[in-house]
Amino acid sequence: SQTIHQWPATLVQPVGSPLSLECTVEGTSNPNLYWYRQAAGRGLQLLFYSVGIGQISSEVPQNLSASRPQDRQFILSSKKLLLSDSGFYLCAWRQLLNTEAFFGQGTRLTVV
Amino acid sequence: KQEVTQIPAALSVPEGENLVLNCSFTDSAIYNLQWFRQDPGKGLTSLLLIQSSQREQTSGRLNASLDKSSGRSTLYIAASQPGDSATYLCAVMNYGGSQGNLIFGKGTKLSVKP
Repeated sequence: SQTIHQWPATLVQPVGSPLSLECTVEGTSNPNLYWYRQAAGRGLQLLFYSVGIGQISSEVPQNLSASRPQDRQFILSSKKLLLSDSGFYLCAWRQLLNTEAFFGQGTRLTVV
Repeated sequence: KQEVTQIPAALSVPEGENLVLNCSFTDSAIYNLQWFRQDPGKGLTSLLLIQSSQREQTSGRLNASLDKSSGRSTLYIAASQPGDSATYLCAVMNYGGSQGNLIFGKGTKLSVKP
């Protein structure tokens, strides 16, 4: 069966520090991968998606970047965090467009 | 631009009651609709996926319906239990959108009282 792992679960980082959040999927190959952010009082917002290794599409201009160095690994990064980067970050995957999307357990990021 | 609305924002019911959660969307050109559950501080758990060609899906005590032409979906929960307490999110995937991106509503927070 397929599983998705996301870490760390919580993170407190000072303003201006770098960020690296990692997501891996097991039990499948060539998944579509997604990074979402969930802010308080707002719905989930798509940040990045990837349909293959090295292929990254960004949905909103921001202080973040994403990379997919391996087929089942998706990384969310920042060189210098802002206070506004605080939020709950969720990684997701689906195999095909007409199949279920599955989410990781999320990372709570607090920038102080 | 697709917009997804869930009403009510919060709902409190006694244990054992049957209940319906509502989801509406403005653009009927959807590929599919998915219902999720989110416990506090946790990720999303997929409950049901309905393709645009389907009218309903069932899983255990859950039944989700889809009326694409009117832009509505409902999630029916039978014989509610305290363990059903969570936030329920619906999300749609549009034709022609970002590769498989889901557009989410803000959710309905359900509380089932023992």
